[in-house]
Amino acid sequence: SAVISQKPSRDICQRGTSLTIQCQVDSQVTMMFWYRQQPGQSLTLIATANQGSEATYESGFVIDKFPISRPNLTFSTLTVSNMSPEDSSIYLCSVEGQNYEQYFGPGTRLTVT
Amino acid sequence: GQQVMQIPQYQHVQEGEDFTTYCNSSTTLSNIQWYKQRPGGHPVFLIQLVKSGEVKKQKRLTFQFGEAKKNSSLHITATQTTDVGTYFCAGTGHSGTYKYIFGTGTRLKVLA
Repeated sequence: SAVISQKPSRDICQRGTSLTIQCQVDSQVTMMFWYRQQPGQSLTLIATANQGSEATYESGFVIDKFPISRPNLTFSTLTVSNMSPEDSSIYLCSVEGQNYEQYFGPGTRLTVT
Repeated sequence: GQQVMQIPQYQHVQEGEDFTTYCNSSTTLSNIQWYKQRPGGHPVFLIQLVKSGEVKKQKRLTFQFGEAKKNSSLHITATQTTDVGTYFCAGTGHSGTYKYIFGTGTRLKVLA
């Protein structure tokens, strides 16, 4: 299984600002994923990030709001832009294992005031 | 679109009691995965089921995939306080794809 780290672990931000979340994996992976988990809720896939191509966004998520970078096979960033209180959530990155299982990072807890 | 519901939403049990969570999909699934998320933690992969009617065991945990591949269950025998957390199923309608839809989750509390 992969070891995944995320930065920051938590942050409190003012509305209208942007936050970039970093995800680092200890091995090279083809696909990385970004999820959102609102308090007490399930996980919702935001987008899939493949190295060397643009991210693929799920319904309800757009690139202008959640731009993603994937500069190499071990790293990705997710930016939450022009934040509002509704963006308060836990943001998780994950990578795919050999049998399509997912390994998650520890998450970034974002509070927007 | 595809929906994956879990029941119950919450369950409190006395330590030593059994626990079961049920996962139901609106569409036929190719395979299903189960994850555990401890309070304040991130989801951790437990197991994947692929075949119709498949049953897999991990110590006190028994996982089952329905014959019609539209439902699944996780049963814990003789719960322990370490079993506390939220259990999610995640299903996909297509094999070989990353697009898993996570279930609504069942939050388990174990009273010592």
